[in-house]
Parts: sequence; structure tokens; C-alpha cells
Amino acid sequence: GENVEQHPSTLSVQEGDSAVIKCTYSDSASNYFPWYKQELGKGPQLIIDIRSNVGEKKDQRIAVTLNKTAKHFSLHITETQPEDSAVYFCAATAYSGAGSYQLTFGKGTKLSVIP
Amino acid sequence: DAGVTQSPTHLIKTRGQQVTLRCSPKSGHDTVSWYQQALGQGPQFIFQYYEEEERQRGNFPDRFSGHQYPNYSSELNVNALLLGDSALYLCASSGIEKGHTGNTIYFGEGSWLTVV
Repeated sequence: GENVEQHPSTLSVQEGDSAVIKCTYSDSASNYFPWYKQELGKGPQLIIDIRSNVGEKKDQRIAVTLNKTAKHFSLHITETQPEDSAVYFCAATAYSGAGSYQLTFGKGTKLSVIP
Repeated sequence: DAGVTQSPTHLIKTRGQQVTLRCSPKSGHDTVSWYQQALGQGPQFIFQYYEEEERQRGNFPDRFSGHQYPNYSSELNVNALLLGDSALYLCASSGIEKGHTGNTIYFGEGSWLTVV
């Protein structure tokens, strides 16, 4: 089955700096890679996703890159703000049609943005 | 547009009891999955329902069962509760979103289950 490794487990940055979280996956059939932000006591919130036919995707201060050859993908947050503080999870799945996927998650990265 | 909604938000059960958790998917979504998230861990896939059938199952015992209704809502049932079943149970729904080329997966806020 799929295995997703996520690093680092904790990350502290100064407000305004950039944060980078990296994930690797094992199953070459994986083709969908979402990132979730989870605040204390809440469910995971989808913040950005990328599919295997795309190498990079950006949404305002958030970007994700995918290297299929190396089987790794990364989340980049620029100009970090205190409200970015949360646990971030990467995930991967080999999506092949309706009713046929399961997400495998990394262990999470606790991001702290210091004002 | 309501997102994925789950109920109840919190509940406490005794070992050996049974529990039912409920989920309504995001409008327009027809696939529902359930995940278990232990404290400090990433979510673990339990199973997925599509067209009222269980399509995929993770590494969970038969004590965990589910159902999907014609309106796409879903239930997760856990029998013979163990202390180790204490966790956040998350429902995820999937469907085609505007601006996306494939299905997108959204989670609800979860149901916190404590087994004592």
C-alpha cells in the first residue's frame, strides 16, 4: 500500500518568513495530492491540491510543487501570518474514478508562526 | 452552501456499547469516506461508500460498519466499543468542483468519541 512520509514534524518561523513542508510517497500510481490544515479541535481543511499532470500550483500565499520522478511534493507558504499556525497534513491517493480512492496521510507538521 | 456536516460533535460511551455517527456530504457530492484520527496522528482510512455500497475498506475490524442512503448521507457504526476506539471520527465527501479537473475531497469537523 501507499506510504507517505512528512517532514519536519514541527516548524517555527518568524511572521513574514516562508515555510516549507515536504512529503514523499511510495506508490507510483498515486495521482492526487491534497494538503490540509487542521486547527485544534477542528476537522482538516483543504487548502490546496495538485494532480499528477501538473508540476506546480499556486493560490495566493500558498503553493504546492510535485516531482513525480522523485515521488515527492512540497507545500510552500510565503509571508506567514500568526493565523497560519496549525497542523498541516499532506496526503496521497491513486484516484481512478468514483468510489475508488483512499487518502494516505503523512504524520503532520505543527507550524508555529511567531509574531 | 453547507459543507460536510457531521453529528454528534462529541459523545461519551462505555466499553462494549455501540455507537452510530452520521454524515451529510457536501452538496453535489456522491462519495463518502470515513476516517479515524487518534490524538497526534494523521487520519486513517476506514471505508468508502459510493452508490450505497462499500467500495474500499482500510485495515479496520468488522466491528466497524457503515451505510449510505439514497440521498448520499452516511452512517458509521462501531460495535463492542474498546477504549482504543476513542478518537476523532471524520467524514469526507468527494465530487467534482468548479474549476477542478477531477474530484476534490473535503472533510467535516468530525465527531469526538470517548470510550470509558
